[in-house]
Amino acid sequence: DAGITQSPRHKVTETGTPVTLRCHQTENHRYMYWYRQDPGHGLRLIHYSYGVKDTDKGEVSDGYSVSRSKTEDFLLTLESATSSQTSVYFCATGTDSNQPQHFGDGTRLSIL
Amino acid sequence: RKEVEQDPGPFNVPEGATVAFNCTYSNSASQSFFWYRQDCRKEPKLLMSVYSSGNEDGRFTAQLNRASQYISLLIRDSKLSDSATYLCVAKGSTLGRLYFGRGTQLTVWP
Repeated sequence: DAGITQSPRHKVTETGTPVTLRCHQTENHRYMYWYRQDPGHGLRLIHYSYGVKDTDKGEVSDGYSVSRSKTEDFLLTLESATSSQTSVYFCATGTDSNQPQHFGDGTRLSIL
Repeated sequence: RKEVEQDPGPFNVPEGATVAFNCTYSNSASQSFFWYRQDCRKEPKLLMSVYSSGNEDGRFTAQLNRASQYISLLIRDSKLSDSATYLCVAKGSTLGRLYFGRGTQLTVWP
């Protein structure tokens, strides 16, 4: 949907390792978002971007960093993964703040 | 207090039934509202936007009550394929932010 590709789709790694998730979009959307979704919590915003090199924190940003060096790519990095970061991660994009967001297929990340 | 609150359900209804979901939002300045549908282990997908005057899309009707700050979704003549989780969404006061409810789970049985 909306030309959003997340990679990898699945990843299993060990506690303490760095992990980078990539979101790539082909629609030239200004806004990009990273969410995590866990049972009982719904979608929670980690970080978002409102332009190249412009990012801001969401409600659960601790332990995560992001970068957006190009319009089409938004990277999410876990510097030192912990088991509490086991989750499903969704990237989303939007054209402006009043319009709905469109989601990628998600990345299932397991930290052992 | 969460920006958007929904009854998590689950709602279990027979085929052909009419079912309604409500959600409330806390920011009285919110201007944009949406309903999303999420199937098990899939990404959320936009179901419909919610307009001030209410709007309909086939069997689905969305309503907005600004005075009470709640949004509703009515599904008529439920189908098995309507089984999913429905997410209520409101635009926040921060530029670019949308706030998602935790979702209401619907199961339609034959």
